[in-house]
Amino acid sequence: SYVLTQPPSVSVAPGQTARITCGGNNIGSKSVHWYQQEPGQAPVLVVHDDSDRPSGIPERFSGSNSGNTATLTISRVEAADEADYYCQVWDSSSDHAVFGTGTKVTVL
Amino acid sequence: QVQLQESGPGLVKPSETLSLTCTVSGYSISSGYYWGWIRQPPGKGLEWIGSMFHSGSTYYNPSLKSRVTISVDTSKNQFSLKLSSVTAADTAVYYCARVVMTTVSTDFDYWGQGTLVTVSS
Repeated sequence: SYVLTQPPSVSVAPGQTARITCGGNNIGSKSVHWYQQEPGQAPVLVVHDDSDRPSGIPERFSGSNSGNTATLTISRVEAADEADYYCQVWDSSSDHAVFGTGTKVTVL
Repeated sequence: QVQLQESGPGLVKPSETLSLTCTVSGYSISSGYYWGWIRQPPGKGLEWIGSMFHSGSTYYNPSLKSRVTISVDTSKNQFSLKLSSVTAADTAVYYCARVVMTTVSTDFDYWGQGTLVTVSS
């Protein structure tokens, strides 16, 4: 089955840029979506279809996808961005949704 | 505003069937979209369980397919999850979500708050 690999943790100082990677075989050929999950809360979609933001999501959140790696970039990081982040794709070869392993973002 | 709310028993005995319902407000299930379930074991990541269109088309996680049934009740604007023969490994927070499914993409744009289901005797 299709596997998405994320780094377990990323640390970033306030005001700096956080980059969270999501690795998968030829992931560039798929649409990648990203979710933010604060402690004790449900996930929230922050980027869909590689780089589109849902209404209400700050422009500081952006995404890219090429080759074997997709990336979620959080610019001008704030304390409120501290959360777990998950990437997700649809594996059309087996018709099922796959989530990445998750990355905990810590704001120093 | 689309809102989803899970409901059901918080404790299920091993070998029994877990049953949850998701009530949708702010949008009619029969108007479109797929509707799905995702779970998250304590301290672990997200796992997709399955998705269903109001007309009956379904997709299930291959690892759970033999034990999962998702159904829709358009008259109540609800959809449900049944997971049979549960074990402690099925202990998790269960989320319902609206699924945006196209020919090239699938994502989950609205989520319920989640409900913890514990499997224990």
